Amino acid sequence: KAGVTQTPRYLIKTRGQQVTLSCSPISGHRSVSWYQQTPGQGLQFLFEYFSETQRNKGNFPGRFSGRQFSNSRSEMNVSTLELGDSALYLCASSFLGQHGAGYTFGSGTRLTVV
Amino acid sequence: EDQVTQSPEALRLQEGESSSLNCSYTVSGLRGLFWYRQDPGKGPEFLFTLYSAGEEKEKERLKATLTKKESFLHITAPKPEDSATYLCAVQAKADSNYQLIWGAGTKLIIKP
Repeated sequence: KAGVTQTPRYLIKTRGQQVTLSCSPISGHRSVSWYQQTPGQGLQFLFEYFSETQRNKGNFPGRFSGRQFSNSRSEMNVSTLELGDSALYLCASSFLGQHGAGYTFGSGTRLTVV
Repeated sequence: EDQVTQSPEALRLQEGESSSLNCSYTVSGLRGLFWYRQDPGKGPEFLFTLYSAGEEKEKERLKATLTKKESFLHITAPKPEDSATYLCAVQAKADSNYQLIWGAGTKLIIKP
């Protein structure tokens, strides 16, 4: 059974640029959640998509956006990158997306902004 | 404000030396508390769910317990392969969005 696939694994971008990250969930899972993880911080919730609709959103600025396609694959976009956006971005897929035990995480995309 | 605090930030143990990790929480009604393990370069991996005070769950050398204010992850006779960051998350009943609130994690290092 294939796991959650995130691409790319590593990215280096310059301040002011934009970036798009991709997440392919486990087959059959309709919910994809995105998290930002930085050293010393817990996972910070960005947003959740379920059946192509954004169902929940965390407290991040509008520079962070996402979408989900009909095959449940999801993309996350960050525009006008800032140094503070350097982090590990994780996506988690689940069937329903409403239970903390049901998440399967990808290995993440490590974004470095210089 | 709902909050999750994990302690210690890091813990170094000798192989076979048992210890406990702490996750204290303040939340308006607990829907569930979850423990995850995260290895370097990987995403978190689910370990346990606890729902009510007094509940316990076990898996190999790990045992998770829950009180009304905190949870403990007990590790008995750990091995080097137990080295990882252990994350705790809670879900509040009052949150209709079912969002998880995560702690910052405890980095556990088991020396052979």
